[in-house]
Amino acid sequence: QKEVEQNSGPLSVPEGAIASLNCTYSDRGSQSFFWYRQYSGKSPELIMFIYSNGDKEDGRFTAQLNKASQYVSLLIRDSQPSDSATYLCAVRGAGGTSYGKLTFGQGTILTVHP
Amino acid sequence: DGGITQSPKYLFRKEGQNVTLSCEQNLNHDAMYWYRQDPGQGLRLIYYSQIVNDFQKGDIAEGYSVSREKKESFPLTVTSAQKNPTAFYLCASSITPRGNQPQHFGDGTRLSIL
Repeated sequence: QKEVEQNSGPLSVPEGAIASLNCTYSDRGSQSFFWYRQYSGKSPELIMFIYSNGDKEDGRFTAQLNKASQYVSLLIRDSQPSDSATYLCAVRGAGGTSYGKLTFGQGTILTVHP
Repeated sequence: DGGITQSPKYLFRKEGQNVTLSCEQNLNHDAMYWYRQDPGQGLRLIYYSQIVNDFQKGDIAEGYSVSREKKESFPLTVTSAQKNPTAFYLCASSITPRGNQPQHFGDGTRLSIL
């Protein structure tokens, strides 16, 4: 089982719709969770991070965390073609050899079509 | 402007050659990281450093070496022992190595074999 799993996609949504990106993780003690956006050929850029159960909103983006289910998601409202990118989920380990390290999922490709 | 500078942007390695990738940050961050990204894959941790003069192996350290003699610099050497070096190399830094502090990335170096 991979430590951090994401559907590779591609996920295709129409412009203006809500895009829902999902991520599950195996380390039950993980403390903080990050979403990065990566355009083709570019480096990842931080969108949001969350460390408490519940929702965290920033503009059109909402991160949702459910530690009991070991599940974190990213919702993008009013999706725009400029949101088309690969979205990487990253989880910070809590103990043992994974303490302090970020583990990345393989990323979900999102395509927003006009 | 504060940020993370990686150089060169593109690098070509001959058989049996060691090459060094540069990473410099002026953010006064304690922690620095090196990742490798292969096409269609997430990021894999090569080495990380939590403080000057200290560094630890990540998940795929074989064939690589690093140094952290100055807080702002964390160069990565890809040695001839790394038999499949073609990849996108990303350097990142964070204020501290733990807690909820996110990692921020440089623009990356693309390494290819001649």
